[in-house]
Amino acid sequence: GEDVEQSLFLSVREGDSSVINCTYTDSSSTYLYWYKQEPGAGLQLLTYIFSNMDMKQDQRLTVLLNKKDKHLSLRIADTQTGDSAIYFCAGKNQGGKLIFGQGTELSVKP
Amino acid sequence: GAVVSQHPSRVICKSGTSVKIECRSLDFQATTMFWYRQFPKQSLMLMATSNEGSKATYEQGVEKDKFLINHASLTLSTLTVTSAHPEDSSFYICSASRLEGSRNTEAFFGQGTRLTVV
Repeated sequence: GEDVEQSLFLSVREGDSSVINCTYTDSSSTYLYWYKQEPGAGLQLLTYIFSNMDMKQDQRLTVLLNKKDKHLSLRIADTQTGDSAIYFCAGKNQGGKLIFGQGTELSVKP
Repeated sequence: GAVVSQHPSRVICKSGTSVKIECRSLDFQATTMFWYRQFPKQSLMLMATSNEGSKATYEQGVEKDKFLINHASLTLSTLTVTSAHPEDSSFYICSASRLEGSRNTEAFFGQGTRLTVV
């Protein structure tokens, strides 16, 4: 079945760039998403990329998609302490359901 | 962006009682809403897909008689946890997809409901 994998933890210093990686198995995913979840809160859609794109940039966020390797990454430039959260990548399968990775806990140290 | 509002944000109930959680799309019509359950430090587990005006589609292993879903309008879906037990304690999150043309694109999430059954 569909599977989405992420590393569980990432720690960076304030001001550095963060790169969160994700691999997926369902090549039919039309859209791939990045969500942010702060403690005790729901998911906030950060950005998404259509499967025919290689890159999408939105202010401090850059999404790279390598369809051949089924690899998706989220780069956060100039990471701030307010960026500390859990980040989920997700793919939408042909049935319209979102398949989530396990989430990457990003810790930003001052 | 689109707003999805979920209420209540926290609820504590006694074992054996029922709890209703509401999910509303505030500024768009959502033909499809999804209900998820999230355990601590884990990803979201899809429970069911709710389509306006029809019966919900439940994922394997989710008891439809225990988790009643109603999607009576294009802006409201409810999840009722019936005869709640402590093992039902969890974080429940809804999401709603916005229709663009004929395609559901982004999914927007509610704030989540922390259910504690004592």
